[in-house]
Amino acid sequence: DAGVIQSPRHEVTEMGQEVTLRCKPISGHDYLFWYRQTMMRGLELLIYFNNNVPIDDSGMPEDRFSAKMPNASFSTLKIQPSEPRDSAVYFCASSTLAGGPAYFGAGTRLSVL
Amino acid sequence: QKEVEQNSGPLSVPEGAIASLNCTYSDRGSQSFFWYRQYSGKSPELIMSIYSNGDKEDGRFTAQLNKASQYVSLLIRDSQPSDSATYLCAVNVRRGGTSYGKLTFGQGTILTVHP
Repeated sequence: DAGVIQSPRHEVTEMGQEVTLRCKPISGHDYLFWYRQTMMRGLELLIYFNNNVPIDDSGMPEDRFSAKMPNASFSTLKIQPSEPRDSAVYFCASSTLAGGPAYFGAGTRLSVL
Repeated sequence: QKEVEQNSGPLSVPEGAIASLNCTYSDRGSQSFFWYRQYSGKSPELIMSIYSNGDKEDGRFTAQLNKASQYVSLLIRDSQPSDSATYLCAVNVRRGGTSYGKLTFGQGTILTVHP
C-alpha cells in the first residue's frame, strides 16, 4: 500500500488567500484525522472522520477552517481566509479501527506570508 | 491538566545506554497507548502499541503500562545515534463503553544519543 498521501507537500501563500490541503487515506481505513503541528502547541487534533462522517471537530480553531470527506478515499482541509498564524505543518492520518494506531502522511508545510 | 503529558527534555544519553521516556495521561477511560518516533522534518512513525498493563517488548524497545497510575513509558536499550529523534506518546480515550476514535498526543520528548 502507498500509505497516506497528502498534497501539496509545501504551500506558500499570502494572507487572505484560500488554501486547500488534500489527503488520500490508506485503503480500507475507516478513520481519518487532520492534525496541525507547531513548535508552540505540538501536534493538535483538528477534526476526525469515521466512515466519511465528521465525528469530532472541537479542535478546529475557528470558522475559517473547514474539512470535508466526500468519499472514503479523499478528504480536504480548507482555510479561508488564511492568516500568518496558520503557518504550520498539517498532517493527515488514517486508522483501521477505533482505538487503533493512526498512520501519518508526509504532511503539508504551510507558510502564510 | 493536559490530557497527555511528557517531559519535553531534551534527554541526552550516551551510545549503548538505556533511554527512558515517560508519559502520563489524565483520563482513566483510556484504553490504547502508542509511542511514535518523529525525526526532524518528517512525520510521526508508529513504533509501539500497548493495550494492557505490564511490559511489551519489540527488539530494543519496551513499552510499559500502568493504568492504575495512569502512566506509560518507553525504554530503548542499547541506544544508537540513529535513535535521536522526538518521541511522542499518544493515548486513545474510550468513553461511555464505546470505542472512541480520538487520538491525543503529548508534546513529545527530544532524545539525543551521543557517541
